[in-house]
This record gives sequence, C-alpha cells and structure tokens, in this order.
Amino acid sequence: GAVVSQHPSRVICKSGTSVKIECRSLDFQATTMFWYRQFPKQSLMLMATSNEGSKATYEQGVEKDKFLINHASLTLSTLTVTSAHPEDSSFYICSATPFSGNTIYFGEGSWLTVV
Amino acid sequence: KQEVTQIPAALSVPEGENLVLNCSFTDSAIYNLQWFRQDPGKGLTSLLLIQSSQREQTSGRLNASLDKSSGRSTLYIAASQPGDSATYLCAVNGNQFYFGTGTSLTVIP
Repeated sequence: GAVVSQHPSRVICKSGTSVKIECRSLDFQATTMFWYRQFPKQSLMLMATSNEGSKATYEQGVEKDKFLINHASLTLSTLTVTSAHPEDSSFYICSATPFSGNTIYFGEGSWLTVV
Repeated sequence: KQEVTQIPAALSVPEGENLVLNCSFTDSAIYNLQWFRQDPGKGLTSLLLIQSSQREQTSGRLNASLDKSSGRSTLYIAASQPGDSATYLCAVNGNQFYFGTGTSLTVIP
C-alpha cells in the first residue's frame, strides 16, 4: 500500500482562491519532503524542499509567496497555492524519504485545475 | 546540475513486440534510479528501483538495467500489451530527484 498519501487527488478551484494540498508519510517520519509540479508534456520539476520545523527552500523561479509550504510535523507537509490562476493548473506531487535509507516515496499526485 | 534525457520521446509499437526505453544522465554520483509509469490524468506508479550498486532489476515483463559509469539506464518491456500504453519516466536520485521528460508509449492492438 501507499506509504505517502497525498490529498486531494483532484481539485478544481476558481481563479483567485487558494487551495491546499496535503502530503503525509504514513509509515515513517520524514524531516524532508519535496514538492514537484508537472506542466502538460513537460517533465516533473522540483518546486521546493520542505524541511520540518523550518522554512522551505524554493527552486529558482518558484514564487514562495504564492506557493506556501508548511512542514509542521514529521509526517505532514502542505502546499498551498494562493490566489490561484489558470496557469497554475498542473500536476503537483510530493515525495518523502525516511530517516534511514535513500529510497524516495512518492505521493499519488494532485491534479489542480483553476477555472 | 544533473540532466536526465529520455529517448525516444514517443514510441508506437504493435502488440507483442519487445521494446527498450533509454535514459541517460550526466552525473554518475547517484544513490539510485527509478522508472515510473504515468497514465493520463493519474499519478506516478513506481515500476522498478535500481540502487547504484546494482546492475539490473526485474519485475514481471519489465527489466531495468543501470550502467552508472556511462550514465545510462534502459527499461526493457517484453511482449508489450495495449495496457502498457503510458508515459514512462526515469528519475535519478542524487541529492534530489531529477526526472527525464518521459517516453510516451503506445501499444497498438
């Protein structure tokens, strides 16, 4: 079964509203989680590294005030897309790694459509 | 910075054919490499994980190989089926995950 759960799997929101996506590690604790997004016909790209108890590290070109990341516990990271616009419509996916080992587990992904 | 390339970008084969998908990467300092499948409108499904110390992994009709020194991995699909139609992504795990752009596979009945 899934070891990283992502919710919701699909969400439609109106332009200008905010939407939150949750990423939970079910069987392990993760100090670090990663958020990716994928635009149509493009590769998955890392958006930010979410660190438990501290600020996220954003990749170049990703607006930290628009994509708010909170990693409040060792099993939960959230990505909030604020003031969403149609161009934010994308596939967002998170990943997490247990303290021990180097295997990265991915969530199921979330399809965001902004209308 | 790690760059991951997948060739071909798209592939169409008749059912029953064996096929090979290619993945190359520029930095050989990796922990592991994973192959994923992505169906339209769906999430990622992990197919095979190869640790840096391994040469290949097999699961059913799938076989993935890794040549870390040359920066190459292949995904071999035997006796392809229409249900294999999807986009296949390889991802290289260094200090973060780097994804290739994928190969879109269509298996024609």
